[in-house]
Amino acid sequence: EAEVAQSPRYKITEKSQAVAFWCDPISGHATLYWYRQILGQGPELLVQFQDESVVDDSQLPKDRFSAERLKGVDSTLKIQPAELGDSAMYLCASSSPGQGYGYTFGSGTRLTVV
Amino acid sequence: GQNIDQPTEMTATEGAIVQINCTYQTSGFNGLFWYQQHAGEAPTFLSYNVLDGLEEKGRFSSFLSRSKGYSYLLLKELQMKDSASYLCAVRDNYGQNFVFGPGTRLSVLP
Repeated sequence: EAEVAQSPRYKITEKSQAVAFWCDPISGHATLYWYRQILGQGPELLVQFQDESVVDDSQLPKDRFSAERLKGVDSTLKIQPAELGDSAMYLCASSSPGQGYGYTFGSGTRLTVV
Repeated sequence: GQNIDQPTEMTATEGAIVQINCTYQTSGFNGLFWYQQHAGEAPTFLSYNVLDGLEEKGRFSSFLSRSKGYSYLLLKELQMKDSASYLCAVRDNYGQNFVFGPGTRLSVLP
């Protein structure tokens, strides 16, 4: 079964440092999402890509977060500088038009900022 | 605005039936989804409703009433492995963006 690949699985970083996460969606999925999930809460959308274009980044804290999907395939989410409140699970998901069953999520990156 | 409401926690006994409710108020509607999420893992798809009524998949069923902005997930013959968080999510009209509820943490006791 096709999967969304994410790395690293876990990341511990000190506050004020830079951190990056990588996602490779299911082959052929044009739409890619980055979500942040704080412990005990539901996922919140950070950014949505359609191919290489950003469709929605209204909830992305642009002073410290950036995301790119240069060739419309894999994507990188960066935080610089990291803050204690950024500790969360960062989930990547992908979908294709007409995919009635919704997203396929990757395994996520658990970020701890110390 | 977008608002999705679910109970925070529920407890049930192995072998029993449990119903997890979800109410929503969203600017658009193009389907309601239920996901299961075990602790520390990614959400996995359970069910999808776009029309009113009941969708059944084995031990899991999901119901939707669009006029009431209401859905529920019904889990039958509960097993210990069903202990997880259950996320209700609504897909809006304008794209494939999902809005997730806060999740309901279900504990199944022996």
